[in-house]
Formats: sequence, structure tokens, C-alpha cells
Amino acid sequence: DAGVIQSPRHEVTEMGQEVTLRCKPISGHNSLFWYRQTMMRGLELLIYFNNNVPIDDSGMPEDRFSAKMPNASFSTLKIQPSEPRDSAVYFCASSVLAGGIDTQYFGPGTRLTVL
Amino acid sequence: LAKTTQPISMDSYEGQEVNITCSHNNIATNDYITWYQQFPSQGPRFIIQGYKTKVTNEVASLFIPADRKSSTLSLPRVSLSDTAVYYCLVGDELIKAAGNKLTFGGGTRVLVKP
Repeated sequence: DAGVIQSPRHEVTEMGQEVTLRCKPISGHNSLFWYRQTMMRGLELLIYFNNNVPIDDSGMPEDRFSAKMPNASFSTLKIQPSEPRDSAVYFCASSVLAGGIDTQYFGPGTRLTVL
Repeated sequence: LAKTTQPISMDSYEGQEVNITCSHNNIATNDYITWYQQFPSQGPRFIIQGYKTKVTNEVASLFIPADRKSSTLSLPRVSLSDTAVYYCLVGDELIKAAGNKLTFGGGTRVLVKP
């Protein structure tokens, strides 16, 4: 399996622009997670989906952030409008419950820089 | 979710054993203890998971005392490539629906020197 795929790997944009991050989970996994990592705040869970349904979005910082999962093989995280404080590495992870153990597999991340 | 406390950083040398202890005083009955490893510029990677006593795999060992209020990740004979951040997480892995909400703390930054 190719693992979790994220695109783009790097994104540089200007403040006020819309940014869309994409994720393809591992085939067969039914949970998907979006995390954000910064030096100051560490690794934070933004939102997660179970069977394409958003379960907990309490980590989404504000209304500028939105996430969708239209099908089992694709998810997007959108920031509109973007701000410099959104600069971070955004990770997508997927998991499946097997034998009572739920292990998350992380993608390589998207490094976002908002100027 | 049980809060975890682990050292901020540790230094070691090649060939030595590295032990990282994590405190989780408020661990619940259904909680499992999971360790992830993160290399620079990569996403975290699952290392090992356990509930009680000792678990060993090809990468590490996990020691959990009877009271389960702490756990120790043991990395045998580390190499330079083991330099990474190691996260201890505690959560209920036995939920019937997948989608375990994990909370990552600050992690322990391990530096392996030649």
C-alpha cells in the first residue's frame, strides 16, 4: 500500500488567499484525522471523520477552517481566508479498528507558509 | 483523556539502551498506552502499544507496572537513526467504532550521539 497520501507537500501563499489541502487515506481505513503541528503548540488534532462522517471538530480553530470527506478515499482541509498564524505542518492520518487496536498511520504532511 | 508527562529531552550514545518513562496518573481502566515516533519532516509513526506488564516487538519494549500509572519505553542499542521525538499517548483503544481521538503531548526529543 502507498500509505496516506497528502498534497501538496509544500504550499506558500499570501494572506487572504484560500488554501486547500488534500488527503487520500489508506484503502480500507474508515477513520481519518487532520492534525496541525507547530513549534509552539505541538501536534494538535483539528477534526476527525469516521465512515466519512465528521465526529469531532472541536479542534478546528475557527470558522476559517473547514474539512470535508465526500467519500472513503478523499478528504480536504480548507482555510479561507488564510492568515500568517496558520503557517504549520498539516498532517492527515487514517486508521482502522482491527483486533481491538486502532493504530493511526500518518501521511508525510503539508508544510504551509502564509506570507 | 488521561494526561501524560514525559521528559522534554534525552541524550544517548550509539549502542546504548534508552529508556523513556511516561507518567499517566489518571489512566482509566479501558485506556491503552501507545508510543509514537516522529522523525524530522515526517509524520508520527506507531511504535508499540500495551495495556499491562510487558510488550515487546522488533523495535522496542514497553514496560507497564501493575498500577499502570506510568510506562517505560525501552529502545535497545540505539543508533543515530533513532534520533527522533517519542510521544506517549493514553486512550481507549477498545471503542467499537474506529476513530480513537489521540492527544499528543510535547513528546521526548531523543538525540543519539556517535
